[in-house]
Amino acid sequence: NAGVTQTPKFQVLKTGQSMTLQCAQDMNHEYMSWYRQDPGMGLRLIHYSVGAGITDQGEVPNGYNVSRSTTEDFPLRLLSAAPSQTSVYFCASSPTGGDNSPLHFGNGTRLTVT
Amino acid sequence: AQSVTQLDSQVPVFEEAPVELRCNYSSSVSVYLFWYVQYPNQGLQLLLKYLSGSTLVKGINGFEAEFNKSQTSFHLRKPSVHISDTAEYFCAVSAGSARQLTFGSGTQLTVLP
Repeated sequence: NAGVTQTPKFQVLKTGQSMTLQCAQDMNHEYMSWYRQDPGMGLRLIHYSVGAGITDQGEVPNGYNVSRSTTEDFPLRLLSAAPSQTSVYFCASSPTGGDNSPLHFGNGTRLTVT
Repeated sequence: AQSVTQLDSQVPVFEEAPVELRCNYSSSVSVYLFWYVQYPNQGLQLLLKYLSGSTLVKGINGFEAEFNKSQTSFHLRKPSVHISDTAEYFCAVSAGSARQLTFGSGTQLTVLP
């Protein structure tokens, strides 16, 4: 059982480049989310989805787009990368997004924007 | 609005010694509380959670936490730590659902031989 799979593990971009961070889960979870982790700031929610075709913004959505065409996949797109987007990105899922279900995290994507 | 404060960014402790990682929260409504652990180069894993009922919550790997409503705290404890407990620990609070989960800034626990 793979759980939550993120690719790539590492990525270096130049300012202005675009890329997509991939996230897939095989647990049939309805809720999926993207966080960024920065030193001393914990994890901050970028976007989330409560089911296929439904997405919404989190705490820090600017500069990021998401879509949810299937239950399994929840890609995060950076349209024009900026140095401020240098961070570690985590995808997480849970069965429903309710409080009784813990989040399952992927192993992260470490992104550097130069 | 809710917030979480982890009072110590780094906690070094010798192997087999007890440890307490402190977490305080603020919220205008009832909350649910969580501790997550992050081992190097991995994602976060749930350590334990408080939803309701007994204020003493036991989690995996011998960790426990106590919910103190009057002091708005949810400190994490372990009576005897191992080298393998070296990791970053995050306290988190939710007032309603996963999308309202707020994380603290993390505490790096380093267990020394």
